[in-house]
Amino acid sequence: SQQGEEDPQALSIQEGENATMNCSYKTSINNLQWYRQNSGRGLVHLILIRSNEREKHSGRLRVTLDTSKKSSSLLITASRAADTASYFCATGLTGRRALTFGSGTRLQVQP
Amino acid sequence: DVKVTQSSRYLVKRTGEKVFLECVQDMDHENMFWYRQDPGLGLRLIYFSYDVKMKEKGDIPEGYSVSREKKERFSLILESASTNQTSMYLCASSFPPGGRAEAFFGQGTRLTVV
Repeated sequence: SQQGEEDPQALSIQEGENATMNCSYKTSINNLQWYRQNSGRGLVHLILIRSNEREKHSGRLRVTLDTSKKSSSLLITASRAADTASYFCATGLTGRRALTFGSGTRLQVQP
Repeated sequence: DVKVTQSSRYLVKRTGEKVFLECVQDMDHENMFWYRQDPGLGLRLIYFSYDVKMKEKGDIPEGYSVSREKKERFSLILESASTNQTSMYLCASSFPPGGRAEAFFGQGTRLTVV
């Protein structure tokens, strides 16, 4: 079974609006990461938040982590058409050498 | 910048063929990974390698094998391609083990088995 599950599966917003994506996971983590994938391409790392952190910012991105609820959220502020992509959360698990990915959220930003 | 390069963007192979997917990274990373990506299923780990000639099975290794003869190169082998192996294949590398840092991905290989 998958460790991370993103919600919603798809999101459509207007340019300038904020986009929020959520990720839930099942077991203890070392860190949680968010990646972006443009259509038909490889994944690009966006941000990493460690298990002892609660919030992290990078440019227009804000990530929160609630380990008690085993959940994370990615907020993209003032979205642009170029933000259109799929977004994946990935968890680094204790005792596992590789990241575990969720199924992703497809974000469409309408110009 | 770290660069992970996959040998092909698109491949079309026939059922029963032996297929090699090649991946090269240029940052001396110890850890390399092969994932496959299917709609609605996200990325699933096939195999990974944490050193030359060292490998471990991931979550879906059946029908695949891997080879890591040099640190920079990690190959995925489909011993006898089948139509259910039609998918997007993604190679990645990272330096620290255990998913403790970001992974760098190649551009992906879209494989179609007919």
